[in-house]
Amino acid sequence: ETGVTQTPRHLVMGMTNKKSLKCEQHLGHNAMYWYKQSAKKPLELMFVYNFKEQTENNSVPSRFSPECPNSSHLFLHLHTLQPEDSALYLCASSPTAGDRFYEQYFGPGTRLTVT
Amino acid sequence: GIQVEQSPPDLILQEGANSTLRCNFSDSVNNLQWFHQNPWGQLINLFYIPSGTKQNGRLSATTVATERYSLLYISSSQTTDSGVYFCAVELINNDMRFGAGTRLTVKP
Repeated sequence: ETGVTQTPRHLVMGMTNKKSLKCEQHLGHNAMYWYKQSAKKPLELMFVYNFKEQTENNSVPSRFSPECPNSSHLFLHLHTLQPEDSALYLCASSPTAGDRFYEQYFGPGTRLTVT
Repeated sequence: GIQVEQSPPDLILQEGANSTLRCNFSDSVNNLQWFHQNPWGQLINLFYIPSGTKQNGRLSATTVATERYSLLYISSSQTTDSGVYFCAVELINNDMRFGAGTRLTVKP
């Protein structure tokens, strides 16, 4: 495996379910990111992790809970979501968060539908 | 907050044509980047260009930070260039803002 991988690629969940999105990077990077891309809004940066520590939470509702057990893995735990949370969730990594625009690589995304 | 505006929102080209995409931003930024999202959703960095001009094959980009705009040039377009092109800016506080994108369709 190379680059940034995300699983699952597609997910349909009810509002009362609990699910998790997984991201793994094989690039030796130290920073990882979650982005949300919904149909009617520009891409939004949700969370930033640098060396496993969360450094940014951009006013994301608590029904989204990130976890970064090590520099290669990033999870997004989902619970009691709303239909408006349906979106493409993108994971990315970069060498460090301090220079995040430089060499940021994205995964293929998880298409989430909340019913 | 800062506004990031891209134009045009949609663009249809015949294969082989050239095009210019524009990104305007309303405040000073630390960095700017252009991305391409292919029809399957994969987002790929094109240029990291806080200022100046860079070229990579048929693509080039110019950022004039003092005038708060950036341009992406695509020459001799190919059908594989289709997708959405985003610019994103990094603000002074390290926050990021993306534009709404330009959707490009290149017809054979």
